[in-house]
Amino acid sequence: AQSVAQPEDQVNVAEGNPLTVKCTYSVSGNPYLFWYVQYPNRGLQFLLKYITGDNLVKGSYGFEAEFNKSQTSFHLKKPSALVSDSALYFCAVRDGLTGGGNKLTFGTGTQLKVEL
Amino acid sequence: DADVTQTPRNRITKTGKRIMLECSQTKGHDRMYWYRQDPGLGLRLIYYSFDVKDINKGEISDGYSVSRQAQAKFSLSLESAIPNQTALYFCATSDPGQGNEQYFGPGTRLTVT
Repeated sequence: AQSVAQPEDQVNVAEGNPLTVKCTYSVSGNPYLFWYVQYPNRGLQFLLKYITGDNLVKGSYGFEAEFNKSQTSFHLKKPSALVSDSALYFCAVRDGLTGGGNKLTFGTGTQLKVEL
Repeated sequence: DADVTQTPRNRITKTGKRIMLECSQTKGHDRMYWYRQDPGLGLRLIYYSFDVKDINKGEISDGYSVSRQAQAKFSLSLESAIPNQTALYFCATSDPGQGNEQYFGPGTRLTVT
């Protein structure tokens, strides 16, 4: 079975500082990893994904994520946070071994709060 | 989000009532999904459909049913609503392929009293 853990319910960062939102995963085969962002009263928006290749993945709005196979982690990062980055962030994983369905397992979400 | 629409956006209903949530998409995707979101629990998969003739249960399908009327339409029904089905419901679509991301609708906030 595949699973995702987001160990922090909330992350607080000052604007201009770097931010990290943590994610660890468990799968049987090769992982397909995703980050989504949810703004208030909106659906989830895709930020970035890791399928294969370079461990550092760049996505929308200046976000990036680093895949670390040995630590089974896929942390979301941004060099300089903006107040407008404040939102709920979800990590998701799909096990490359499972056939069909493209089913994702989501983490419980991390609320990012960026303050002036 | 405009490519995936959900109706209604908000709904309050009473215990025991039947309710249908509708999802339409213009992305041309074959695969469609229904999730519910609860605070602290993330998103959980209710049902998913590979195409019009292929419907599958997710991890929390009890108390729900679905209908795939066309490639572009996927409806979720609560046959007899109960208060613990109060949640935010999302529809999503994707292309086939393991690495393809899902695209989400804006959600339906359902309250069962």
